Amino acid sequence: SQTIHQWPATLVQPVGSPLSLECTVEGTSNPNLYWYRQAAGRGLQLLFYSIGIGQISSEVPQNLSASRPQDRQFILSSKKLLLSDSGFYLCAWSVNRVYVGTEAFFGQGTRLTVV
Amino acid sequence: AQSVTQLDSHVSVSEGTPVLLRCNYSSSYSPSLFWYVQHPNKGLQLLLKYTSAATLVKGINGFEAEFKKSETSFHLTKPSAHMSDAAEYFCVVSDTQAGTALIFGKGTTLSVSS
Repeated sequence: SQTIHQWPATLVQPVGSPLSLECTVEGTSNPNLYWYRQAAGRGLQLLFYSIGIGQISSEVPQNLSASRPQDRQFILSSKKLLLSDSGFYLCAWSVNRVYVGTEAFFGQGTRLTVV
Repeated sequence: AQSVTQLDSHVSVSEGTPVLLRCNYSSSYSPSLFWYVQHPNKGLQLLLKYTSAATLVKGINGFEAEFKKSETSFHLTKPSAHMSDAAEYFCVVSDTQAGTALIFGKGTTLSVSS
């Protein structure tokens, strides 16, 4: 069966420090991978998605970047965190079928607090 | 472009009474629609999905939703609420034609009182 791992679960970082959140998927190959951010009362905002190694699409221009160095690894990064980067970050994967709507499966999330 | 509107930010019900969470969507093509549930500080769990098969979709934990194209709606219902149903619920659309990522509504918080 497929599983998704996301870490760390919680993180407190000072303003201006770097960020690296990691997500890995097991039990499937060539998945679509996603990073979402959730702020209170605002639902989930899609930040990045990837349909393959090295292929990253950014949905929202901002202080963050994403990379996919391996087929089942997705990393969210920042060189200098801002207070506004605080939130709940969720990694997700879906089967790579471009023309068929398919559900996504989510990790347990990372609660990031920038102080 | 596709979008989702959840009509209520907060719904309160008593245990044992029906639940109705409302969702309207906009999509250029035949959409796939989903409902997810999220308990506090947890990831999201898929409740049910519609992908152009039967318009009445049954999901886990007794939830179901009906796809109504004429009303562009996909409301979530449950005949009898349970305390464990208290959570946040998201209506989601995926544009099958473009194969884009899932687009989430802003969520509805369901409170269940005894």
